[in-house]
Amino acid sequence: GEDVEQSLFLSVREGDSSVINCTYTDSSSTYLYWYKQEPGAGLQLLTYIFSNMDMKQDQRLTVLLNKKDKHLSLRIADTQTGDSAIYFCAERPGKLIFGQGTELSVKP
Amino acid sequence: NAGVTQTPKFQVLKTGQSMTLQCAQDMNHNSMYWYRQDPGMGLRLIYYSASEGTTDKGEVPNGYNVSRLNKREFSLRLESAAPSQTSVYFCASSGQLRSSYEQYFGPGTRLTVT
Repeated sequence: GEDVEQSLFLSVREGDSSVINCTYTDSSSTYLYWYKQEPGAGLQLLTYIFSNMDMKQDQRLTVLLNKKDKHLSLRIADTQTGDSAIYFCAERPGKLIFGQGTELSVKP
Repeated sequence: NAGVTQTPKFQVLKTGQSMTLQCAQDMNHNSMYWYRQDPGMGLRLIYYSASEGTTDKGEVPNGYNVSRLNKREFSLRLESAAPSQTSVYFCASSGQLRSSYEQYFGPGTRLTVT
């Protein structure tokens, strides 16, 4: 069935790059998404990538998609304490399937 | 634009009580969704409504009912609450104004069932 897997925790130092990884199972996904959830809040779309792209860059964010391995990653350059949050990847084979979320902790 | 709004923000119920969670969106979106979020499990889809007048089951529909009252509003009802329904509930909507079909989320309702 459809499944999206993420590691649960990542800790980095302020100024370092963060890389959050995700694997998915459904090769028919047309879009893949990264959402951010700050404490006590709902999810906000960070970025998305269309399935025919390998890479998308948006300011400090870089999304890499490896369709052969069904692997998606989100790189945050120059990570700041304000980036501390839970990050969810999601795929859309019709309706969104979310991963468990990766809690990013940024230490000063 | 308020986006997606949810009421209430917090609720405590006793086992067996019923309640309705309300959701409204002002973005003229066709599709609306109800998710629950539990620690370490991400978001799981309870029900969704692809368009006004239609509703479909998601991954975890048992114990819930929904009503798509009109294009703006999509409510979630717990007829007889159970402790296993303690969770954070999110409503979301999406439209076709952008081809990415991104979903917009409300702030959530934190429900505790004792």
